[in-house]
Amino acid sequence: SSELTQDPAVSVALGQTVRITCQGDSLRSYYASWYQQKPGQAPVLVIYGKNNRPSGIPDRFSGSSSGNTASLTITGAQAEDEADYYCNSRDSSGNHGYWVFGGGTKLTVL
Amino acid sequence: EVQLVETGGGLIQPGGSLRLSCAASGFTVSSNYMSWVRQAPGKGLEWVSVIYSGGSTYYADSVKGRFTISRDNSKNTLYLQMNSLRAEDTAVYYCARERDYGDYIDAFDIWGQGTMVTVSS
Repeated sequence: SSELTQDPAVSVALGQTVRITCQGDSLRSYYASWYQQKPGQAPVLVIYGKNNRPSGIPDRFSGSSSGNTASLTITGAQAEDEADYYCNSRDSSGNHGYWVFGGGTKLTVL
Repeated sequence: EVQLVETGGGLIQPGGSLRLSCAASGFTVSSNYMSWVRQAPGKGLEWVSVIYSGGSTYYADSVKGRFTISRDNSKNTLYLQMNSLRAEDTAVYYCARERDYGDYIDAFDIWGQGTMVTVSS
């Protein structure tokens, strides 16, 4: 099955911009989605498709993609953005119906 | 309000069985693709299984042959029957709705709060 690779941890100073990346062959065929997960809580969808935010997600969250890499950018990171972030996409290795998740990136806001 | 509520988790011995339920409100389970996603303690998310609106089902290799996804349309509820449980199945199990945004774009837009399954003797 496909695999998605994320950096395990990233840090950003309060108010600065941070980019979290996700690499995998499936991203050449499918868009990535991004999920925010805070401790003890369920994941929350923050970006889907080319660069779409569900209702209620602040516009400081944006997404982009190039080749086999998808990126989640937080412009002006806030303390409440400290969380784990996961990318995912459809599996492109021929397993119909399958999804694959990245290993997650722990974002620390300094 | 659109909501998913999982129940049925607990402590179970290796080799045992457990059935998880996911009750939906605010939308119809049978009209959507519905998945189970799990998260082992301190680990990342792992997709487990999906049931399509047409009834087709798919499973991750790690659970194929042991887990069965199903739904009860009259109860608007999704299920995950887990048999031959192993220690490595220990995780929080989430149900999630796959939303189709068109143009081959879809994502898990609604998640339940999760239910913990612990497989241990």
